[in-house]
Amino acid sequence: QKEVEQNSGPLSVPEGAIASLNCTYSDRGSQSFFWYRQYSGKSPELIMFIYSNGDKEDGRFTAQLNKASQYVSLLIRDSQPSDSATYLCAVNVGGTSYGKLTFGQGTILTVHP
Amino acid sequence: DTAVSQTPKYLVTQMGNDKSIKCEQNLGHDTMYWYKQDSKKFLKIMFSYNNKELIINETVPNRFSPKSPDKAHLNLHINSLELGDSAVYFCASSQFRRSIAGPTDTQYFGPGTRLTVL
Repeated sequence: QKEVEQNSGPLSVPEGAIASLNCTYSDRGSQSFFWYRQYSGKSPELIMFIYSNGDKEDGRFTAQLNKASQYVSLLIRDSQPSDSATYLCAVNVGGTSYGKLTFGQGTILTVHP
Repeated sequence: DTAVSQTPKYLVTQMGNDKSIKCEQNLGHDTMYWYKQDSKKFLKIMFSYNNKELIINETVPNRFSPKSPDKAHLNLHINSLELGDSAVYFCASSQFRRSIAGPTDTQYFGPGTRLTVL
């Protein structure tokens, strides 16, 4: 079993819709969870992080964490074509304070006009 | 005002050569990383340094040798390059913090170095 798993997609949603991206992880000791966005040919950029159960909202983005189910998701409301990118879920596996992140394989999101 | 910078951006070389990639961060972070992103876009950590000390060393061939002359710089030297080393190499840096939002060690990535071994 992979430590961090995401559906590779591609996930295609119409403009204005809600895009839902999912991620599961295997290590129950994981403490912090990150969502990065990566445009083609560019470096990953942080969208948001979450460390406690529940929802965390930032603009059009909402991260949801359920540690009991070992599940973290990212919702993008009012999706725009500019949101089309690969979304990487990253988990601080083992809960170390030195930030050893394990990444999922990424979900390709396409928002079509 | 570049936060994390890498040089070179592109590197094309022959099998068997030795090459280096340099990384610098001006964020004042204590920890720096090297990641490899393969053709399938899978991003995997290779090394991590905290205050010039090696703290993460994943199962990377001995041909890869990181060096951190100070906490703002982390270089990667690769000996005897192989075809399978072709990938994009990302440098990142972070600073562990505790805040109202929770503990975090958010990593900021450099622009990447695309290495092609012929």
